[in-house]
Amino acid sequence: EADIYQTPRYLVIGTGKKITLECSQTMGHDKMYWYQQDPGMELHLIHYSYGVNSTEKGDLSSESTVSRIRTEHFPLTLESARPSHTSQYLCASSASGRYNEQFFGPGTRLTVL
Amino acid sequence: SQQGEEDPQALSIQEGENATMNCSYKTSINNLQWYRQNSGRGLVHLILIRSNEREKHSGRLRVTLDTSKKSSSLLITASRAADTASYFCALNQAGTALIFGKGTTLSVSS
Repeated sequence: EADIYQTPRYLVIGTGKKITLECSQTMGHDKMYWYQQDPGMELHLIHYSYGVNSTEKGDLSSESTVSRIRTEHFPLTLESARPSHTSQYLCASSASGRYNEQFFGPGTRLTVL
Repeated sequence: SQQGEEDPQALSIQEGENATMNCSYKTSINNLQWYRQNSGRGLVHLILIRSNEREKHSGRLRVTLDTSKKSSSLLITASRAADTASYFCALNQAGTALIFGKGTTLSVSS
């Protein structure tokens, strides 16, 4: 079954830790995205990729980095987590083409103490 | 701002009633999409309407698009408690990622 997965679902860590949020999709989509969303608020695009070895920063400045070495995998890394990084992180993917319908993972809720 | 602006921000109705939420925008679009988000979860795509379409149906959902007024509406008929969620419109412009609005929070009580 085609799907998009995120791990972990919940993460509580201390300030200064390095973390990687995982995102994988089995739909063969070229495009993948990371959004940051605070509770009850809008989504902010922080990174996107239109293919392997292609990554771009989104509208919201973020201290995170991403990589796209394989089509199905789009991990997000925070080198040194801070309380301001506490948020929900949503990964999405879409096929190439003009419609750009996005499929979302369940999200990772990150809390930095 | 290029994002869609949903209205109202919050909506509370009884089961069986219809729910209407609106999205206004300022730029030209290829299509407009509506998504639903249950609390603490990812978004789920509901329906897409292309810029050359005026109305589209999917089950209990009806979406309209008026490109001259740069606005869209989502109607959910015969609402159920399970429809309680946040609803987002998303603008698809050529060559860019989707631009999401701030969302309408719908609460359906039984």
